[in-house]
Amino acid sequence: KNQVEQSPQSLIILEGKNCTLQCNYTVSPFSNLRWYKQDTGRGPVSLTIMTFSENTKSNGRYTATLDADTKQSSLHITASQLSDSASYICVVSRLDSNYQLIWGAGTKLIIKP
Amino acid sequence: NAGVTQTPKFRILKIGQSMTLQCTQDMNHNYMYWYRQDPGMGLKLIYYSVGAGITDKGEVPNGYNVSRSTTEDFPLRLELAAPSQTSVYFCASSPRHEQYFGPGTRLTVT
Repeated sequence: KNQVEQSPQSLIILEGKNCTLQCNYTVSPFSNLRWYKQDTGRGPVSLTIMTFSENTKSNGRYTATLDADTKQSSLHITASQLSDSASYICVVSRLDSNYQLIWGAGTKLIIKP
Repeated sequence: NAGVTQTPKFRILKIGQSMTLQCTQDMNHNYMYWYRQDPGMGLKLIYYSVGAGITDKGEVPNGYNVSRSTTEDFPLRLELAAPSQTSVYFCASSPRHEQYFGPGTRLTVT
């Protein structure tokens, strides 16, 4: 079954600290993996998109990694800011259907001052 | 550019009522999508469209209908609302892979 699982479900860290969010998937055939940030009450916003051949991609203080062999991805946030408080969602696309994305449930990140 | 706009932002419906959720994009994207997001769950695709006049079912289409008469607009119709349709609804558009989301419509059916 095509699934995307994320851990932890929620995380609280102090402002300025780093953190890493995990994503495991069983989607096949794999096309690409995306990380989205969703602020409370808003639609998701894309952070990164990685294809099979890419194992790392950065967007400012966000760095995503992909291990297509173990079907794992991580999102590392450096020097966290209060505005990083949000849900972070891992999404995987299948090669045979770019329209039907498989969405994880997200990790809710809270940054405390 | 307004991006993707959705109306209304909030709505309460009684069981059996119907309504249309509006979605408009001004980025000239061919692809458009409707999702629903239930608490603690991943987004589920309801319907999608690859261009004007073409729509197709997603993962959870039952109880919903869509139309795509123009590139810009992709309304979602709920007929005979049921409590199970209480959710947050997101519309998105994309030129190809990256999807751009609207702010969502929070719908409660009681």
